[in-house]
Formats: sequence, structure tokens, C-alpha cells
Amino acid sequence: DTAVSQTPKYLVTQMGNDKSIKCEQNLGHDTMYWYKQDSKKFLKIMFSYNNKELIINETVPNRFSPKSPDKAHLNLHINSLELGDSAVYFCASSQLWAAQSSGNTIYFGEGSWLTVV
Amino acid sequence: AQTVTQSQPEMSVQEAETVTLSCTYDTSESDYYLFWYKQPPSRQMILVIRQEAYKQQNATENRFSVNFQKAAKSFSLKISDSQLGDAAMYFCAYRTGGSARQLTFGSGTQLTVLP
Repeated sequence: DTAVSQTPKYLVTQMGNDKSIKCEQNLGHDTMYWYKQDSKKFLKIMFSYNNKELIINETVPNRFSPKSPDKAHLNLHINSLELGDSAVYFCASSQLWAAQSSGNTIYFGEGSWLTVV
Repeated sequence: AQTVTQSQPEMSVQEAETVTLSCTYDTSESDYYLFWYKQPPSRQMILVIRQEAYKQQNATENRFSVNFQKAAKSFSLKISDSQLGDAAMYFCAYRTGGSARQLTFGSGTQLTVLP
């Protein structure tokens, strides 16, 4: 019973293709995130959704489109893939407002390794 | 904007010894949270320890403890009795106490544990 699960874990695709990564959390959290980890292992926020509403949208090409059908799911769709999109994409979740300090912790999925060739 | 700096790209420690990983951050806020995450080769992000800025007491989790110096904006991680399984990339991260709750990460420290 994984808390934050992402699929697929590995994805190899050609330039120009469109692909999606799915994410689901069973922690009952109201906020979900997408982070990108580049080849130098630097982690950066891409998007954040709270109760299906977009609350953070960093400078990300509009080829990347997140979709949150409900607060337990946040999918990432990428159009016209480029070589520079190769990275590990992490989904994460947290509870935005929590009485306990543990609610301020962000929990990560196992990552989706995207390779664009 | 907040920044997090890890000045040690790589560190090594002998098994059973103690090692300290450094982290400094820059913020003008008074309410925030600090974290250390561990990332083994599998790339999974594992929470090691968490510190609330309003707490003066340093957090501890078994062999892991922090030295939180709020005035100096320093948040170092001490690993005692190092084990081979501790070998990983360690990331220091900052989270505001405000409504924007995303993490800002440092660049990471690659820890090697020598047998």
C-alpha cells in the first residue's frame, strides 16, 4: 500500500512524442506536486495543486500540462517531447493545513525516469 | 526568494564513525520548516528528519540529529555510527510556513560510507 505511487517508473520515448505520467496518493492529502530532477540531481518544483486547483506554476514550458481530476490524483502530460525533458519526475503530496507538525511534511513517490531519444 | 546552500558536494565517512553534513539557508521569514531527505541510487526520496523553526530543541531520529542555528540560518545533519546503508545523496530542504508550501532544495551532498 504505497502512499504516493507513480506510473510508469521508466519511460523511453522519441523526440516529438506526447506522454503522460500518472500519480495517485492514498494519504488523504489535499495538496499534490510535481518536481523535476535533472541530470545533475537538482530538484525543482514544477506545479502544485490544492484540492484540484493550481496554486503553483513555476516557469515551465506550456508543453507541460498538469491535470488533477480529484485531490488524490495529479497527472502530468507532456507534449512534443524534447531531449532536455529527460529527467526524473517526482510526484509528491502533503496536507496544506494541518494541526500536527507532521502535516507539513511532503511525501514523495518513487519517481518516473523519462528518457527522450 | 528562499535559497538553500549545501557547500559539500561530496563527503565520505568510515563505517561506525560520525559525519556532519552542512546546510545554510536564506530567508526573511520567521515561520518555516527544514528537512533532510535521503536519496539512494534507486532515486527514492526518503525523509530523514524534520525541524520546525519555532522549536529551539534540535530534532533527533535514532542515529540522525540536527544542529539548528536559527540566527546563523544553519541546519546541519549529524549521522552517528554510520552504516553502509547510509550511503546516498542527502538533500537539505526549506519550506515556508505560509500558504505556498513547496520545498526549496539544496544541491545535495553525496555521502560515501567506507567499510
